[in-house]
Amino acid sequence: KNEVEQSPQNLTAQEGEFITINCSYSVGISALHWLQQHPGGGIVSLFMLSSGKKKHGRLIATINIQEKHSSLHITASHPRDSAVYICAVLPQAWTSGSRLTFGEGTQLTVNP
Amino acid sequence: NAGVTQTPKFQVLKTGQSMTLQCAQDMNHEYMSWYRQDPGMGLRLIHYSVGAGITDQGEVPNGYNVSRSTTEDFPLRLLSAAPSQTSVYFCASSYAGRYGYTFGSGTRLTVV
Repeated sequence: KNEVEQSPQNLTAQEGEFITINCSYSVGISALHWLQQHPGGGIVSLFMLSSGKKKHGRLIATINIQEKHSSLHITASHPRDSAVYICAVLPQAWTSGSRLTFGEGTQLTVNP
Repeated sequence: NAGVTQTPKFQVLKTGQSMTLQCAQDMNHEYMSWYRQDPGMGLRLIHYSVGAGITDQGEVPNGYNVSRSTTEDFPLRLLSAAPSQTSVYFCASSYAGRYGYTFGSGTRLTVV
C-alpha cells in the first residue's frame, strides 16, 4: 500500500462544477504539497499546508492532520483546469525537504 | 528569473551509452532533487542534495550518480543506460521542506 493515496484516479466534470480531489496518507507529516501537472508535462506547486486551509483564486486546499487527510477543491471549474493534480507529503522523520513522497495523481478533465 | 532549468527536454540513448541530465537553479535553494515519473507509479526520488558537497540516495538510486559542487547545479549521470531507465525525469529545488518546490520542465528519456 502506498504511503500516499489519492482519489479519484480520474475525474471528468462539466465546466462550472465544484470539484474535490482527496489525498490520504499513512505517516506523520510535517507538510503536504499539492502540485499541478499540465498536459505539456510541467509541474507547478499550488499549495503547501501544515494545518488548516489555504485559498488561491478558485482553488482551496484543506488538511486534517488528525485524520491524515487533505482535499483540493476547485470552484467554478474551467477547461483550463484540466491537468493531473498530485499530492505529496514530507514525513516527520525527515527534516530535509527533498524526501517528498508522492501520490500517483488525479487526472482531471473539465469539458466545456 | 529562470527558476529551474533542465536540459535536454528529449533524449534517445542506446543501451550502454552514458549521458548527463543537467539541472540548474538561480534561486539560491539549498535543497535539490531528481525524480523519475513512470505511468501508474507517481514521482519517485532518485537522489537528493541538501547543499553543496552533500548528496544522498533516494528511493531508486541504482544506475544513477549525482554530484553537487555548487549551490546552483545538480547534474544526474546515467553511466550505462538501460531500457528500464526510460522515463520522464524532473529536477526540483526548494529553499526548505516547509516552502514550495520549483520543478524543471522535465526530460523525456528513451533508452532503446
